Amino acid sequence: GIQVEQSPPDLILQEGANSTLRCNFSDSVNNLQWFHQNPWGQLINLFYIPSGTKQNGRLSATTVATERYSLLYISSSQTTDSGVYFCAVDLNSNSGYALNFGKGTSLLVTP
Amino acid sequence: DAGITQSPRHKVTETGTPVTLRCHQTENHRYMYWYRQDPGHGLRLIHYSYGVKDTDKGEVSDGYSVSRSKTEDFLLTLESATSSQTSVYFCAISESGGASNYGYTFGSGTRLTVV
Repeated sequence: GIQVEQSPPDLILQEGANSTLRCNFSDSVNNLQWFHQNPWGQLINLFYIPSGTKQNGRLSATTVATERYSLLYISSSQTTDSGVYFCAVDLNSNSGYALNFGKGTSLLVTP
Repeated sequence: DAGITQSPRHKVTETGTPVTLRCHQTENHRYMYWYRQDPGHGLRLIHYSYGVKDTDKGEVSDGYSVSRSKTEDFLLTLESATSSQTSVYFCAISESGGASNYGYTFGSGTRLTVV
């Protein structure tokens, strides 16, 4: 299947700082999504972004499909941004039905 | 909130007993998925369904079976629970396999402990 690697594994920021999370994948993808898991365990879909750039408030994402990576930008971080951020891509090149998740980046934003 | 509920939310069971987890949706989405989440592993796909009675295995399907007799319900069964199946189980739904702007919607999870 398509492998997903996320970096960094852990990140600590002070409130107001900016950050960039990276997702590398091993093959071309039809589907790439970013998720946020809050400290209570709830998983929320942030972006569907197999290519290009999208923005939603303080969050934006860019995927460079030809170079097989995606970046998630968090600007002016807030304590509520804490949690784990997951990148997920097609399980394999033959199916766009299921997603394969990276191991995540654990973010802690301190006041 | 999207109409997806998992039951039970928490369960403790003994090794060797069968366990069934339920995922129920009210969105009429075609695709449903079961993942497990363990420290250091992220989320790993157990089984998924792309229609009523249409299911396929994921990367960690051993020891698990699934059934989908109705669009709204996707059941995950541990035939004989083992301690290695202690985990948090998440169900997800998708209207179009995720290959769209709709993406995935996750349930709140079921924390299963096998003692």
